[in-house]
Amino acid sequence: GDSVTQMEGPVTLSEEAFLTINCTYTATGYPSLFWYVQYPGEGLQLLLKATKADDKGSNKGFEATYRKETTSFHLEKGSVQVSDSAVYFCALSETGGFKTIFGAGTRLFVKA
Amino acid sequence: EAGVAQSPRYKIIEKRQSVAFWCNPISGHATLYWYQQILGQGPKLLIQFQNNGVVDDSQLPKDRFSAERLKGVDSTLKIQPAKLEDSAVYLCASSLDREKIYEQYFGPGTRLTVT
Repeated sequence: GDSVTQMEGPVTLSEEAFLTINCTYTATGYPSLFWYVQYPGEGLQLLLKATKADDKGSNKGFEATYRKETTSFHLEKGSVQVSDSAVYFCALSETGGFKTIFGAGTRLFVKA
Repeated sequence: EAGVAQSPRYKIIEKRQSVAFWCNPISGHATLYWYQQILGQGPKLLIQFQNNGVVDDSQLPKDRFSAERLKGVDSTLKIQPAKLEDSAVYLCASSLDREKIYEQYFGPGTRLTVT
């Protein structure tokens, strides 16, 4: 079945460091890919999405590119802030599907 | 616009007891989802409603879990009897309709501890 694998955390960075959180997926078709973020004490919220190969999703300085050849959707940010401390989930939804499959999540700590 | 509301936020029960969670989705959202998020894992879909009908409950442990969505608005998820492995955060989400799955809005969750 479809699945999402993302790097284990926690990831600890200093403010203004470069962030990469790796995500790879397995799917039978051509899924849409997402990154969700969960800030402490809050619900999950969609951070960015990409619906087809080579699409780049971006939001709040975060970016991820849909790489079909490597089945990857890595999350990047050039300069993290303390306020980016959260848990990040990579997820997919099959084309025409009505279900979202989530990865296990990666906790990010950013130190001042 | 009000978000997805859930209650209670926290619940501690003993195994074999019963528990119920409540969710109020965003007004006008036809699709409602219940997820189970075990510590260290991503959310797993338990059940999905379209209005007041169930469209996917393939991962709901039906021997102990039940859910309903009366009048296509609020929903309750019940566990009876609870087991230790049911300890998790239960998330409710809603979207305008099934096609807008990437526009799911999540509530803050109910953290259940079974002792």
